Amino acid sequence: GAGVSQSPSNKVTEKGKDVELRCDPISGHTALYWYRQRLGQGLEFLIYFQGNSAPDKSGLPSDRFSAERTGESVSTLTIQRTQQEDSAVYLCASSLVFMDTQYFGPGTRLTVL
Amino acid sequence: RKEVEQDPGPFNVPEGATVAFNCTYSNSASQSFFWYRQDCRKEPKLLMSVYSSGNEDGRFTAQLNRASQYISLLIRDSKLSDSATYLCVVSGKTGDYKLSFGAGTTVTVRA
Repeated sequence: GAGVSQSPSNKVTEKGKDVELRCDPISGHTALYWYRQRLGQGLEFLIYFQGNSAPDKSGLPSDRFSAERTGESVSTLTIQRTQQEDSAVYLCASSLVFMDTQYFGPGTRLTVL
Repeated sequence: RKEVEQDPGPFNVPEGATVAFNCTYSNSASQSFFWYRQDCRKEPKLLMSVYSSGNEDGRFTAQLNRASQYISLLIRDSKLSDSATYLCVVSGKTGDYKLSFGAGTTVTVRA
C-alpha cells in the first residue's frame, strides 16, 4: 500500500516568508510525528499527534512553528517568518499506534535564503 | 549531555567483514530501543528493534546492556548494500512516546 507522503519535496524560500509543509500518513495510522533533521545531525522531535487527543507541541522550537492535523489524516506544519536556521529536512512519520514502528515519509528539504 | 550518543564513524570495511558499533543513552528509564537505517538523502527506515535478551535478524545482531546504558549493532558478512547511516533510537520511560534519535554511525562497505 501507499507509504507516508510529503509535499513539497523541496522548498526554497526567502527569509521572513511563511511556508507550509504537508504530510499524508499511512491510512489507518493514528499516530503522526514531525521531526527536523539538520545536515549531519540526528532527528529532532517537533510535535506528535495521537488520534483526537491534544497534540504534544513541546518540541516546537519557537512560536513561529505550528502544526495541525485533520482527524487521523493529513497534517500540515507551518513555519512563519522563516529564518535561515530553519533550513533542514522536515520528516513526517506515522505509526499504527503510538510506540509502534514509525514509517517515515521522504521529507521536505527546506532552504531559507 | 545528549540523550543518545553515537560514534559518527565512518566505519570503512571490506565486503565480507564484520563491523560493530555502540550507542549510549542517558535516560536509565528508557524502555524501547531501535536501530534505524538511513541511506544518503533518504528517510530513516526501521532496521530492527532491540530486545533485552538481544536479538538477531539475518546478518544483524543487536544487544542491549542496561547496566551500562548502551546498545550495539553488529553486521556480519558485510555487503555493499549495507553502506548507510545507522541511527540509534531510544524511547523514554513506559508510556512516553517520544523517541530520541542519535546522529548516526556511518558505515561504508567497499568492494
